[in-house]
Amino acid sequence: AQKVTQAQTEISVVEKEDVTLDCVYETRDTTYYLFWYKQPPSGELVFLIRRNSFDEQNEISGRYSWNFQKSTSSFNFTITASQVVDSAVYFCALSEARANNLFFGTGTRLTVIP
Amino acid sequence: EPEVTQTPSHQVTQMGQEVILRCVPISNHLYFYWYRQILGQKVEFLVSFYNNEISEKSEIFDDQFSVERPDGSNFTLKIRSTKLEDSAMYFCAITQGARSTDTQYFGPGTRLTVL
Repeated sequence: AQKVTQAQTEISVVEKEDVTLDCVYETRDTTYYLFWYKQPPSGELVFLIRRNSFDEQNEISGRYSWNFQKSTSSFNFTITASQVVDSAVYFCALSEARANNLFFGTGTRLTVIP
Repeated sequence: EPEVTQTPSHQVTQMGQEVILRCVPISNHLYFYWYRQILGQKVEFLVSFYNNEISEKSEIFDDQFSVERPDGSNFTLKIRSTKLEDSAMYFCAITQGARSTDTQYFGPGTRLTVL
């Protein structure tokens, strides 16, 4: 069965610090997809990134970067030079090729202190 | 990113009443999903819908729940007889592409409060 673990429940950082959010997943499928979503205080779920299991290339988008490592079943998310607007709950999610539903982790609440 | 709206934004109902939550994608999509998030908890899958049929459903999606696309546009989630524990945020999601494994984009959610 699939499982997504976000061990960090809450993280607080001071503005401009870097922060890494951890995500560890379990799946028996060889083809799967990993996602990060952001849920700001307003409540909506905002798509950030998608990674396919056959593509281990890391990605950078502005201040955001993602480190996908199949060897450790991890898909970590780093925010560089954090800003107050980054304060949100961040969810890591997994879907498998044979089932199209997203399986979410419990989320990490990030608070960036000005 | 595809747009999808949900109505109402907030619904308050009495226990035992029926509620219908609506999802309105801006353009044509093939795959539709409902998820729920109990306050402070993780997002949980309820059901997926493709070609006017349920594709998959979770254990949460029991007989009190139903989904349909009555007019080919709105995608609705009906809860027949609401319980206190149905209080949650309900999110509709759609995929932009033609594959079930395409990225899911979420609507703004409907907050359901059951009294």
